[in-house]
Amino acid sequence: AQTVTQSQPEMSVQEAETVTLSCTYDTSENNYYLFWYKQPPSRQMILVIRQEAYKQQNATENRFSVNFQKAAKSFSLKISDSQLGDTAMYFCAFMKQNDYKLSFGAGTTVTVRA
Amino acid sequence: GAVVSQHPSRVICKSGTSVKIECRSLDFQATTMFWYRQFPKQSLMLMATSNEGSKATYEQGVEKDKFLINHASLTLSTLTVTSAHPEDSSFYICSAEQGNYGYTFGSGTRLTVV
Repeated sequence: AQTVTQSQPEMSVQEAETVTLSCTYDTSENNYYLFWYKQPPSRQMILVIRQEAYKQQNATENRFSVNFQKAAKSFSLKISDSQLGDTAMYFCAFMKQNDYKLSFGAGTTVTVRA
Repeated sequence: GAVVSQHPSRVICKSGTSVKIECRSLDFQATTMFWYRQFPKQSLMLMATSNEGSKATYEQGVEKDKFLINHASLTLSTLTVTSAHPEDSSFYICSAEQGNYGYTFGSGTRLTVV
């Protein structure tokens, strides 16, 4: 079974600043997918960014970028120019190729201060 | 974009009764859907994988007779909580796999058993 660890239960950041969320995972697989999901107070799960393990280049999506370190099994998320609307719980998730089941970390609550 | 509609958003039921939650993919066909349970400020726990036209696959520790899943069409999966008790009170979320390892989540159902 895959384990996804998010060691930061809560993070606070000033508007317009940058915050980095950590995520590590444990797997013996070589091919897999990693995701960051956002769950705002509405509780709707929203995909933030996704990374295929076979790609060395780190994924970016506007103000969101990841630092994927395959050997270290680390997948951190950087939120740049934080906005009030970024306030949410962020979940890191892992999926084995061809398995289709997501394993979620415990989540990190991010609060953006005005 | 892909949309998954989940109903009801909130339901209160009496202990001992059954409650049905629907999850519909509105603009795509979903061979596979997933049901999660989430406690306040905690992660999503996968309960079962729902496959169109076949029996659901339940995760370890999830009572299949308690949580009945039906996936009778390519756009609809239902979760029925049978003989509900207060400990079944939780937030239930469905998601649909839309191909290429993409997932769309429903907006969730808050179940309260009194």
